[in-house]
Amino acid sequence: DAGVIQSPRHEVTEMGQEVTLRCKPISGHNSLFWYRQTMMRGLELLIYFNNNVPIDDSGMPEDRFSAKMPNASFSTLKIQPSEPRDSAVYFCASSSNPGLAGGPRTGELFFGEGSRLTVL
Amino acid sequence: KQEVTQIPAALSVPEGENLVLNCSFTDSAIYNLQWFRQDPGKGLTSLLLIQSSQREQTSGRLNASLDKSSGRSTLYIAASQPGDSATYLCAVRQRGNTPLVFGKGTRLSVIA
Repeated sequence: DAGVIQSPRHEVTEMGQEVTLRCKPISGHNSLFWYRQTMMRGLELLIYFNNNVPIDDSGMPEDRFSAKMPNASFSTLKIQPSEPRDSAVYFCASSSNPGLAGGPRTGELFFGEGSRLTVL
Repeated sequence: KQEVTQIPAALSVPEGENLVLNCSFTDSAIYNLQWFRQDPGKGLTSLLLIQSSQREQTSGRLNASLDKSSGRSTLYIAASQPGDSATYLCAVRQRGNTPLVFGKGTRLSVIA
C-alpha cells in the first residue's frame, strides 16, 4: 500500500486566501484523523471521522476551519479565510479500528508526510 | 482526561550506548500504546504497537514495554547509532475507536 497520501506537501499563501488540504487514507482503514503540529503547541488533534462520519471536531480552532470526508478514500481540510497564525504542518492519519466494520483491527495509526502551510 | 508525559524532553548520547526513553500516562485503562519516530520535516513513523493485553513488543534493536498498572511504558534502543537521532513520541488510545493522546516527545541525538 502507498500509505496515507497528503497534498500539497507545501503551501504558501497570503492572509485571507482559502486553503484546501487533501488526504487519501490507507485503503480499508475506517478512521481518519487530522492533526496540526507547531513548535509551540506540539501535535493537536483537530477532527476525526469514523466510517466517513465526523465524530469529534472540538479541536477545530475556529469556524474558519472545516473538514469533510465524502467517501472512504478522500478527505479535505479547508481554512477560509487563512491567517498567519494558521501556519503549521497539518497531518492526516488513518487506522483500522476494532468495533468498526472493515479491515485488520489492530488500531495502529499511520501518518501521512504532512502539508506544511505558510500564511504570509 | 488522559495525559501523556515523556521524560526527558531531550537526550544526547554517544554512539553505541543502550538507552531508555520513558512514557507515563495518567489513566491506566488504555486500549493500546504506540511509539512513533519523527525525523525533522517528516511525518510520524510507527515503530511499535502494544495492545493492552501485551507486556512488550520488539522490532530489531527496539523493545517497548508496557506496565498498565503503573501507567508506564519504556522504549529501549540497543546499540544506538547516529541514524537513530530523531524525536520519539508515545501515544495511548483509550478505546478502540477513539483518537490517540500524544506526549510531547523526546528529542534524541546520538553522537558519532
